[in-house]
Amino acid sequence: DGGITQSPKYLFRKEGQNVTLSCEQNLNHDAMYWYRQDPGQGLRLIYYSQIVNDFQKGDIAEGYSVSREKKESFPLTVTSAQKNPTAFYLCASSQVRDEQYFGPGTRLTVT
Amino acid sequence: KQEVTQIPAALSVPEGENLVLNCSFTDSAIYNLQWFRQDPGKGLTSLLLIQSSQREQTSGRLNASLDKSSGRSTLYIAASQPGDSATYLCAVCGSNDYKLSFGAGTTVTVRA
Repeated sequence: DGGITQSPKYLFRKEGQNVTLSCEQNLNHDAMYWYRQDPGQGLRLIYYSQIVNDFQKGDIAEGYSVSREKKESFPLTVTSAQKNPTAFYLCASSQVRDEQYFGPGTRLTVT
Repeated sequence: KQEVTQIPAALSVPEGENLVLNCSFTDSAIYNLQWFRQDPGKGLTSLLLIQSSQREQTSGRLNASLDKSSGRSTLYIAASQPGDSATYLCAVCGSNDYKLSFGAGTTVTVRA
């Protein structure tokens, strides 16, 4: 089955802790993306990568970090510097400039 | 900065009625436009992609139009069914940076 997987589906953390969200794709896509979704708002781009070992900041990168060591994987770390980390996080992939395909999402709750 | 607006924010219709969902954007320098469906607590499912050179795109009961000069796209869903109940999101890909800018979505309820 081709697709994008995100794990875990739900994640709970205490304030001040770093947490890493997993995103894996087997679509052989070059580009991968991380978005954040808050209630009543559109998706906002956190980071994106168009090729292995390279990535760029999106519109709301502060308090987040990523790596792209393998084509299939693009993990997102939410650091303690992120002021309001509770949100729904969505990962996507595509060929560069082509249709984006999304994973099922991870709901992060920080208390 | 590209601003994408979807009006109305919510819509409720009886089964069988045609749905018309609107999307407007401020910068006409776009590469393509995508319509997505999102069910509660789930990821996004791509419905239609319209290239900037196209005027419309069709898939089954879905038809999307694009008027780049006026900054508008419309998604038509014919003969709505309760299974069409979801949030529909419009996303515009900029021709300068190839990044997607999303609207906040229209939440549709189709009543049986």
